[in-house]
Amino acid sequence: DQQVKQNSPSLSVQEGRISILNCDYTNSMFDYFLWYKKYPAEGPTFLISISSIKDKNEDGRFTVFLNKSAKHLSLHIVPSQPGDSAVYFCAATWEKSSGDKLTFGTGTRLAVRP
Amino acid sequence: DTGVSQDPRHKITKRGQNVTFRCDPISEHNRLYWYRQTLGQGPEFLTYFQNEAQLEKSRLLSDRFSAERPKGSFSTLEIQRTEQGDSAMYLCASSTTRDGYTFGSGTRLTVV
Repeated sequence: DQQVKQNSPSLSVQEGRISILNCDYTNSMFDYFLWYKKYPAEGPTFLISISSIKDKNEDGRFTVFLNKSAKHLSLHIVPSQPGDSAVYFCAATWEKSSGDKLTFGTGTRLAVRP
Repeated sequence: DTGVSQDPRHKITKRGQNVTFRCDPISEHNRLYWYRQTLGQGPEFLTYFQNEAQLEKSRLLSDRFSAERPKGSFSTLEIQRTEQGDSAMYLCASSTTRDGYTFGSGTRLTVV
């Protein structure tokens, strides 16, 4: 049962353009969502998060949007840079979860073309 | 602080052998997690420690798997009688808050 879904395994964008990565979830208990970035041979690194009480959170070039009614979130990267090329994971948790364990999606591989 | 360290980085073992991985978390982090990632999948939760207490275990963690965190410092994950299906990347993370997860680089296990 895949509770967090990233339906696009890969995405290619031109440098300077916007990258939009999508994520859907099925578990209504989730109330906190995170995006992680992973380079080869490294562990995932935290990028940005959003609580279910908000619909948008921005941090520099990265913005996460949350649509609770659609159980959908997206990560926007503007402008995209070649160094953004990596695998991006969407993750979710809920306030009462033990120790904030995370449920991850399967990832989207972003390639930013120079 | 050098972050979360995992040892070894790679392990190749024969089916049926036992293996043990070590994780050294960030020193001030009281929470420690183990996750497993297989090819084409995201990390999957295995177990969680608050200090030295193991508070939750996933059903993915069969009785061949055991994890410890003596004295609330480093942690070990042991897999007994390894099977080919155990081949994966084993990730350790530590944190103090939900945004504070810091992952190690992982141990890649290959069972042949």
